[in-house]
Amino acid sequence: DAGVIQSPRHEVTEMGQEVTLRCKPISGHNSLFWYRQTMMRGLELLIYFNNNVPIDDSGMPEDRFSAKMPNASFSTLKIQPSEPRDSAVYFCASTHPDRVPYNEQFFGPGTRLTVL
Amino acid sequence: SQQGEEDPQALSIQEGENATMNCSYKTSINNLQWYRQNSGRGLVHLILIRSNEREKHSGRLRVTLDTSKKSSSLLITASRAADTASYFCATAGNNRLAFGKGNQVVVIP
Repeated sequence: DAGVIQSPRHEVTEMGQEVTLRCKPISGHNSLFWYRQTMMRGLELLIYFNNNVPIDDSGMPEDRFSAKMPNASFSTLKIQPSEPRDSAVYFCASTHPDRVPYNEQFFGPGTRLTVL
Repeated sequence: SQQGEEDPQALSIQEGENATMNCSYKTSINNLQWYRQNSGRGLVHLILIRSNEREKHSGRLRVTLDTSKKSSSLLITASRAADTASYFCATAGNNRLAFGKGNQVVVIP
């Protein structure tokens, strides 16, 4: 198995532009998590899906952020418009369905986002 | 807060020595997990200890959990240079997994 796949690995954009981050979870995992990691705030849960349905989006910082999971093998996190304070590493993680969300999570390599 | 907090924040040791990290939390948990993050990489799950367990071993890792003190420790024995990484505890409860800010461990060859 290839593990959790994220793209792009690095993204540099200008303030005001739309940014779309992509994630492919491990096959058979139908729970997916989006996290943001910064030095100041550590690792923050933004949103998680179970069976493609958003379960908890209380960590999404504001309306500029949106996430979708159209099917079991793909999710996107969109920031529109982006701001410099959105600069961070964004991780996607997945886990198998038993006892979500308390199972061990499998993380992707992350997308390093820089907003100028 | 559900979030775990690790102590110490940074640790530098010689290869072969043991490394111990602590994690404290504030509310009841279902389980507690430890993860490792190498520089520029995603987190990797190391070990999970359930709330009714007190100690668990996996290779060179030993985890303890004291629910009365709301604390956990991670011991890495006979450290190697490859153990250099950040280590995070994560508390499972309240319908989420909440991560601490991590411990930076440097193992000097």
